[in-house]
Amino acid sequence: AQKITQTQPGMFVQEKEAVTLDCTYDTSDQSYGLFWYKQPSSGEMIFLIYQGSYDEQNATEGRYSLNFQKARKSANLVISASQLGDSAMYFCAMRDNPGRHGSSNTGKLIFGQGTTLQVKP
Amino acid sequence: KAGVTQTPRYLIKTRGQQVTLSCSPISGHRSVSWYQQTPGQGLQFLFEYFSETQRNKGNFPGRFSGRQFSNSRSEMNVSTLELGDSALYLCASSQTGDGLQETQYFGPGTRLLVL
Repeated sequence: AQKITQTQPGMFVQEKEAVTLDCTYDTSDQSYGLFWYKQPSSGEMIFLIYQGSYDEQNATEGRYSLNFQKARKSANLVISASQLGDSAMYFCAMRDNPGRHGSSNTGKLIFGQGTTLQVKP
Repeated sequence: KAGVTQTPRYLIKTRGQQVTLSCSPISGHRSVSWYQQTPGQGLQFLFEYFSETQRNKGNFPGRFSGRQFSNSRSEMNVSTLELGDSALYLCASSQTGDGLQETQYFGPGTRLLVL
């Protein structure tokens, strides 16, 4: 079964420094997608970045980048130049092939337990 | 474009009651997924609707149900509420729901407290 593991329940980082949030995943599929979301205390999940299993380059989106190591099944999020507004919970999520094994797997993301990031001034 | 909206934002109910939550997707998005988020279980997939049909369902009891209307708006219903149903219920929309790299965009959630 597909699984996402985030081993860091909480992280601290100094403002303006970079931080890496870990994510490992488990799937037997060759085609899958990996997503990172940010959840502030307000509750809304904000999409940050996407990495496809066949993407040869690591995804980047502004201050966010992914350190994607397919052989190790890891997709760590790197936030550069941390800001106070980055304080939130961060979730790694996976989407596997929606049509796998003939069953419907549409619209479903599998989430990790999340990492709470606190940025110190 | 307006984002995903959910109403109400907060609800307090008592055990045994039922509740209906509403979700309006981003314009043009036809797939709506629902998730339950609790401190103990994290984020869990409830179900997904597309073109007024439930295409996928998570491992939740039959007390949890939903529907989708022709304008893609969706509702979920929880009957005979239990204390353990207290959670943040998140709705997410995407264009088709079956693209591997298709991003789901989430609403602000409905916080349900069952007393």
